[in-house]
Amino acid sequence: DTAVSQTPKYLVTQMGNDKSIKCEQNLGHDTMYWYKQDSKKFLKIMFSYNNKELIINETVPNRFSPKSPDKAHLNLHINSLELGDSAVYFCASSQDKGGEKKLFFGSGTQLSVL
Amino acid sequence: DAKTTQPPSMDCAEGRAANLPCNHSTISGNEYVYWYRQIHSQGPQYIIHGLKNNETNEMASLIITEDRKSSTLILPHATLRDTAVYYCIVRVGGGATNKLIFGTGTLLAVQP
Repeated sequence: DTAVSQTPKYLVTQMGNDKSIKCEQNLGHDTMYWYKQDSKKFLKIMFSYNNKELIINETVPNRFSPKSPDKAHLNLHINSLELGDSAVYFCASSQDKGGEKKLFFGSGTQLSVL
Repeated sequence: DAKTTQPPSMDCAEGRAANLPCNHSTISGNEYVYWYRQIHSQGPQYIIHGLKNNETNEMASLIITEDRKSSTLILPHATLRDTAVYYCIVRVGGGATNKLIFGTGTLLAVQP
């Protein structure tokens, strides 16, 4: 069973469109994240949710709107896509315990904006 | 910003031990050191983490210096499949907003 699963794996779309990426974890973790990896391979945290509550928002443009219907799901909706949004987006989850933060990542969604 | 520094790249011969260094001179007393790796086109994979003591699991060993300002990840018998970018990470921030910030990592190339 896949612990953290994302869909779709690939997403090709035109500038200006709206798209969503879905993430689900079956690990029973309380915290979920979205990371973005750009063409230079820098992995940057975007958002973090704990028990459906937004905890971290790393000054991401408000065209990006995460939604967590329950603690096992964290979806990412992107409005008015721009060329610079092209990247690989990774979902992750963790169960923080006593200062320990062990993240489990999905396999990524490669977004290409044309 | 990441609180760690690592060499950008290293080579290792297949079957030999790979020793990947990391400096984290500003680490606080209660912060863990984490190691992840990212094989091309895959999501980052957790390897190991530690606080003060050396740690070992089925993937690797983690050696943390006594002053905790640096650590070394050891892959005892590197294989071609260990070729990846290895990230050494120290948690940033406290409370509910703490997070793992990935730096540029070390690209380990295992040579046949």
